[in-house]
Amino acid sequence: DQQVKQNSPSLSVQEGRISILNCDYTNSMFDYFLWYKKYPAEGPTFLISISSIKDKNEDGRFTVFLNKSAKHLSLHIVPSQPGDSAVYFCAASGGSNYKLTFGKGTLLTVNP
Amino acid sequence: DSGVTQTPKHLITATGQRVTLRCSPRSGDLSVYWYQQSLDQGLQFLIQYYNGEERAKGNILERFSAQQFPDLHSELNLSSLELGDSALYFCASSHRLVGTGTYNEQFFGPGTRLTVL
Repeated sequence: DQQVKQNSPSLSVQEGRISILNCDYTNSMFDYFLWYKKYPAEGPTFLISISSIKDKNEDGRFTVFLNKSAKHLSLHIVPSQPGDSAVYFCAASGGSNYKLTFGKGTLLTVNP
Repeated sequence: DSGVTQTPKHLITATGQRVTLRCSPRSGDLSVYWYQQSLDQGLQFLIQYYNGEERAKGNILERFSAQQFPDLHSELNLSSLELGDSALYFCASSHRLVGTGTYNEQFFGPGTRLTVL
């Protein structure tokens, strides 16, 4: 039972353009959503998060949008840079133990 | 560098064997989480400890066990290993503020790659 789904295993964009990574969830108890970025041979690193009481959170080139009614969130990267090439994981949390439920990841490739 | 350390980095062993993975959380972090990343499943939550006590369990097999010691480091023990246990095992830590409802970001270590032959 996959509660967090990233339906695109990979995405390729040109440098300078917008990258949009999508994530869907099924568990309505989730109240906090995060994006992690992972380079090969490293652990995931936190990128940006959003609470369920908001619908948008921005941090520099990264913006996360949350549509609670559709149980959908997206990560926008503008402008995309080659250094953004990595696997991006969507994660969700709900309840008091803060365990994260991850999607399977999307490999983003930004071409120079 | 997240401040979370994991040893060893790589581990190669045979089926039926037992291994121990070690994690040292960031200084001051009280919570430790273990995750397994295998090829098909993405990152799966295994177990959480907070200040030495088990707080949450995920999809952790009975052959696996963990503990958090008084110095807050944690060990994940995997026994009777099977080929399917080959995966990356990540430890994460956070400074959980109990009862505040505030989410605390989890910081991940670099992982231990386990290969069972």
